[in-house]
Amino acid sequence: GAVVSQHPSRVICKSGTSVKIECRSLDFQATTMFWYRQFPKKSLMLMATSNEGSKATYEQGVEKDKFLINHASLTLSTLTVTSAHPEDSSFYICSASTGAEKLFFGSGTQLSVL
Amino acid sequence: QKEVEQDPGPLSVPEGAIVSLNCTYSNSAFQYFMWYRQYSRKGPELLMYTYSSGNKEDGRFTAQVDKSSKYISLFIRDSQPSDSATYLCARSTGNQFYFGTGTSLTVIP
Repeated sequence: GAVVSQHPSRVICKSGTSVKIECRSLDFQATTMFWYRQFPKKSLMLMATSNEGSKATYEQGVEKDKFLINHASLTLSTLTVTSAHPEDSSFYICSASTGAEKLFFGSGTQLSVL
Repeated sequence: QKEVEQDPGPLSVPEGAIVSLNCTYSNSAFQYFMWYRQYSRKGPELLMYTYSSGNKEDGRFTAQVDKSSKYISLFIRDSQPSDSATYLCARSTGNQFYFGTGTSLTVIP
């Protein structure tokens, strides 16, 4: 299967700082990338959908100014959590679509905001 | 109405048992169906992918789709403790993906 690399796997930061998470499709060009948030023992919550070169489409209730998504190329998307607060602590997962209705996930990033 | 309904479990079985995981969906459009496995604090891993009715087999895993009843299933034969994880069903159409809530499976040695 296709490989999606996500970094970092774990990050701890102080309240008020910004954190950037990278998502790369290593062996295919991703037409679309998705960002999810997941709380312990809960299902995936779609945060936003991004296409290369266009602005991301955010789900209802997701603050676009807090969760900045950049999809600069067909293999790279980044999620920046700006001015992070403890309530932003969560598990963030990216995924990338091959365009053939297949979706591959990164390994996830555990964000802890102190 | 949720796009995909999945029993969250948890499901606990002895090692070697046959596991049956099930989902229902509501949309009748042409679409693809997938099963993912997610270990704790990891991203979901694509296990099975199909678009047609019937069975698709891969090793100990069989994905079954019944479009007439809008029912998708995943069977795991000879279950192993390493199969303990959360299993997510999903469907996609037009590059939009819809996930079930996941079923937590524990295989007891």
